[in-house]
Amino acid sequence: NAGVTQTPKFQVLKTGQSMTLQCAQDMNHNSMYWYRQDPGMGLRLIYYSASEGTTDKGEVPNGYNVSRLNKREFSLRLESAAPSQTSVYFCASSGARNHNEQFFGPGTRLTVL
Amino acid sequence: QQQVKQSPQSLIVQKGGISIINCAYENTAFDYFPWYQQFPGKGPALLIAIRPDVSEKKEGRFTISFNKSAKQFSLHIMDSQPGDSATYFCAALFDNTDKLIFGTGTRLQVFP
Repeated sequence: NAGVTQTPKFQVLKTGQSMTLQCAQDMNHNSMYWYRQDPGMGLRLIYYSASEGTTDKGEVPNGYNVSRLNKREFSLRLESAAPSQTSVYFCASSGARNHNEQFFGPGTRLTVL
Repeated sequence: QQQVKQSPQSLIVQKGGISIINCAYENTAFDYFPWYQQFPGKGPALLIAIRPDVSEKKEGRFTISFNKSAKQFSLHIMDSQPGDSATYFCAALFDNTDKLIFGTGTRLQVFP
């Protein structure tokens, strides 16, 4: 089992460009999450999906959109990238709602110039 | 406003010593408190977790102490090893939701 996989590993964008970060899990988990990690800020939840077909906003959703394509895949889209979105992005999944371990992917390091 | 406050920001400990990281929260709707460990270039991984109906949980060299009345919890690493050098995050989960709120992290360095 690969666990949680993310693509790409690294990306450089210019301000105003768009891109989609891909995430997939092979653990048959219901819940999936997108976080961003910034120095001194910890991990902050952007969006999450408790089940296929549902998505909800987290702490910092502005400037992002998500799609829960199916049970395995959860993508994060930046429509018009800004330098403030320079960060490391992590996808995670968990088996059930509430109180379950979240498994994290290896991250995508995004730089917006 | 940081809902889960973590300290210290960084910690240097000698091999064999005790590492202590503290977290505090305000919202009583939190009801699950995990600690995650992150090595450079990797995603965080669950280390140990506790629910507020117990005051302490121990797994090997790692112990969580939980003080519900003070709304504080801490991670103790006994006999710290160089391999424990990593960033540690406390977190709290809102009751009946999927929203996990993380602290700002503590970078631990254990020197031989």
